Amino acid sequence: EPEVTQTPSHQVTQMGQEVILRCVPISNHLYFYWYRQILGQKVEFLVSFYNNEISEKSEIFDDQFSVERPDGSNFTLKIRSTKLEDSAMYFCASRAQQADTQYFGPGTRLTVL
Amino acid sequence: AQSVTQPDIHITVSEGASLELRCNYSYGATPYLFWYVQSPGQGLQLLLKYFSGDTLVQGIKGFEAEFKRSQSSFNLRKPSVHWSDAAEYFCAVGFTGGGNKLTFGTGTQLKVEL
Repeated sequence: EPEVTQTPSHQVTQMGQEVILRCVPISNHLYFYWYRQILGQKVEFLVSFYNNEISEKSEIFDDQFSVERPDGSNFTLKIRSTKLEDSAMYFCASRAQQADTQYFGPGTRLTVL
Repeated sequence: AQSVTQPDIHITVSEGASLELRCNYSYGATPYLFWYVQSPGQGLQLLLKYFSGDTLVQGIKGFEAEFKRSQSSFNLRKPSVHWSDAAEYFCAVGFTGGGNKLTFGTGTQLKVEL
């Protein structure tokens, strides 16, 4: 069964450093998402992406964040200058055209020191 | 803005007992409703979903959920819990339009006693 994959599973970085979280969505899906879950809190929507542009973003997704689909398979989330409060589990999800269900990857745990 | 409430942070049940996890939502129209499960170190796996039609929906692993419009609820049930059901369960609401983002509840951690 096709699945969403994410790398790395765990990333440790120093405050102020740039990080790139990678996702490979399900191959025929056209809608892509990033969510995050701070430890002990709810899963929160960050951004949705379709047709090579952001379709919606939350207030969390400020200028420090960016997303990109650099090739036909990867979908990345970049945090330009990490802060301590960016420490969280980041989930990628994808959805097919004309479908309502998002399929989630296993997540990347980001730890900012 | 839509919101989702899962009033139970932790629930402990004995193996073989029945289970009901509560979910209430706040939204102006009928949303799309989902239950996801997250096992340790795993991603979010879809258990079941409701879009329209029959208000009792069946999902994987023997789970079912009932949409009650009058109570703005979408509670998850299982008649007999297995030890492998121990996990965190998230209720989520979505709607068409825009990016179709999901809004999640805070989750319910299920512990199963043998």
